[in-house]
Amino acid sequence: EVQLVQSGAEVRKPGESLKISCKTSGYIFTNYWIAWVRQMPGKGLEWMGIINPYDYDTRYNPSVQGLFTISADRSIATAYLQWSSLRASDSAMYYCVRQWSGDYWGQGTRVTVSS
Amino acid sequence: ENVLTQSPATLSLSPGERATLSCGASQSVSTNYLAWYQQKPGLAPRLLIYDASKRATGIPDRFSGSGSGTDFTLIISRLEPEDFAVYYCQQYGSSPVTFGQGTKLES
Repeated sequence: EVQLVQSGAEVRKPGESLKISCKTSGYIFTNYWIAWVRQMPGKGLEWMGIINPYDYDTRYNPSVQGLFTISADRSIATAYLQWSSLRASDSAMYYCVRQWSGDYWGQGTRVTVSS
Repeated sequence: ENVLTQSPATLSLSPGERATLSCGASQSVSTNYLAWYQQKPGLAPRLLIYDASKRATGIPDRFSGSGSGTDFTLIISRLEPEDFAVYYCQQYGSSPVTFGQGTKLES
C-alpha cells in the first residue's frame, strides 16, 4: 500500500527556520517525483515545486513567494520542505504529493507562523 | 504559466442530479495532462481523473472527464450525498503545475 506520512503540525515565530517531512512507503521511492502543495486557510491549492528523488532534479514555482527548499533523502525514502526564515504569510497547510498528476497525497502538515 | 479558470464557482444541486463542472486553460494543455481532484473539509484532495479522461483507482464510474486543448469538463452523472465537496482541476503538462480556483458543489 502506497503511503505518504507527513510530520506533525508546527508553530514557529517569524524569522525562525523549519523543516517538515514526508515519509513514503509501499513503492520504489526513486521511481516517482514528489511535489509540495500549499493551501492557505480557506483558499485553493498552490503548487510549490517538485523533486525527482532519482537524480534530485528540482523545479520550483516562481509564482509562490517564500524562501523555501525542496529536498529528498533516498536512503530513507523521505522528502522535505524547509524554510530558512519563516514569514507570517507562510502559515498554511502543506501537502506532499506523489507524481506530477498527484495520485497519492500525504495527510498534510499545518504550519503556523506567529509572533 | 498556464492559468486555469473553473466555472461555476459554486454549483447548487440535489442528490440524483447531474453535475457539470468546467475548466478552461489560458494555453493548450500539453498531452491533455489535466487532472480533477475532490476535496472535503479537513481532508487532503483525492485524485478523481487524470490525463483528462482516465478514472483513478477506486473512483466510481459516475465520475467522468472529457475535453482537450483548452476546454475540459468533469461530469458527475448522478450525485450521491458524499459527492458534495470542492473540486479542483490541475494541469501538469507544463511547469509550473497550476490549479484552478475550485468549484464548490453544494446541496
